[in-house]
Amino acid sequence: QQQVKQSPQSLIVQKGGISIINCAYENTAFDYFPWYQQFPGKGPALLIAIRPDVSEKKEGRFTISFNKSAKQFSLHIMDSQPGDSATYFCAASALLTERFSGGYNKLIFGAGTRLAVHP
Amino acid sequence: KAGVTQTPRYLIKTRGQQVTLSCSPISGHRSVSWYQQTPGQGLQFLFEYFSETQRNKGNFPGRFSGRQFSNSRSEMNVSTLELGDSALYLCASSMGPSPTEAFFGQGTRLTVV
Repeated sequence: QQQVKQSPQSLIVQKGGISIINCAYENTAFDYFPWYQQFPGKGPALLIAIRPDVSEKKEGRFTISFNKSAKQFSLHIMDSQPGDSATYFCAASALLTERFSGGYNKLIFGAGTRLAVHP
Repeated sequence: KAGVTQTPRYLIKTRGQQVTLSCSPISGHRSVSWYQQTPGQGLQFLFEYFSETQRNKGNFPGRFSGRQFSNSRSEMNVSTLELGDSALYLCASSMGPSPTEAFFGQGTRLTVV
């Protein structure tokens, strides 16, 4: 129930195309869904995040679509560029209030998608 | 504003030894989380500290431990190293305490031989 399932494992897109990565979760307590981008030799970098009270969030060429009833969310990269070639991770976090009113910072990550954008 | 700093960047240790990794969070951030990244298991949560208290721990053996200091800097320790502990260890800092933007350091690449 703590898993986040991510697909596809790898993705090849032509320059200018749309890259779409999907994630699904089971735990309805999850209430924060970030996407991270990781280049080789670097730590993951926060790209964009969404909370379940909205169905879509857009920042530049990156859009998160969120379907609460289906427990799915996806990342769309518009006008994909070779510089977008990286590994993308979705993640989810739950506000746990058993002991602390503020909750915990524990991210459950998907397995990652290796994106290659060809020129 | 300086980012998350992890030291050292690379480490080579022998089986049975112990290792200590350090993380300095972004100034003003009070939550520090640690993750292990391997090709086979992906990114897995180790533990999280907020105001010097461990609030949550992942499914790792007791050989993995950590602590946080009053200045929010954190260390993690792995004792009796095994070959399977070879991984990239990542530290993330957040303003805290609720799930918010988490910023990762570049990680410490640990190789156990």
